[in-house]
Amino acid sequence: GAVVSQHPSRVICKSGTSVKIECRSLDFQATTMFWYRQFPKQSLMLMATSNEGSKATYEQGVEKDKFLINHASLTLSTLTVTSAHPEDSSFYICSAGLRGRTDTQYFGPGTRLTVL
Amino acid sequence: LAKTTQPISMDSYEGQEVNITCSHNNIATNDYITWYQQFPSQGPRFIIQGYKTKVTNEVASLFIPADRKSSTLSLPRVSLSDTAVYYCLVGDMDGSSNTGKLIFGQGTTLQVKP
Repeated sequence: GAVVSQHPSRVICKSGTSVKIECRSLDFQATTMFWYRQFPKQSLMLMATSNEGSKATYEQGVEKDKFLINHASLTLSTLTVTSAHPEDSSFYICSAGLRGRTDTQYFGPGTRLTVL
Repeated sequence: LAKTTQPISMDSYEGQEVNITCSHNNIATNDYITWYQQFPSQGPRFIIQGYKTKVTNEVASLFIPADRKSSTLSLPRVSLSDTAVYYCLVGDMDGSSNTGKLIFGQGTTLQVKP
């Protein structure tokens, strides 16, 4: 099946620094990728839709200037958490669908971000 | 986007069949029904997807009645390793209205006991 990877798998950073998380579709092209955030014992919350070659679409309440998304190619999307604070500590997950299809999303393994 | 409702939790024992039902009363004509499994600190894993009637693969079956307002995920002979959270989602299959984004509900936490 389709494989999505994320890097890094976990990261610890100091408050005020920026962290970049990569999401790659390894064996397929993805015009659209999605970024989610998940807090402990909670469900996944959609943050934004990443569109290749254009600006990302953010869900209501998600700060676009804090969570920068770049979708530079059909296989790579990046999420940068700028000026991270402890409340940004969470599990970040990306997903991607097969190009031309939107009914099935394949998820990455997630990135655990801890901000000290 | 169609909202889904599932039981928050279920308990079962090894070897039993588990059925998890999901309600999606406002499902649209273009929506597919997809089930995902998630273990702690991992991304969701695709289990099965269907549009109507019954779908079966090597790990599960999905039953969808004619009105498509609900669906039931059936896991045959569960084991301890099936303990996880199971999510039911509905999504647009051609992306014409929502570019395929999925909105997760609370999911069902399945606890399989020995």
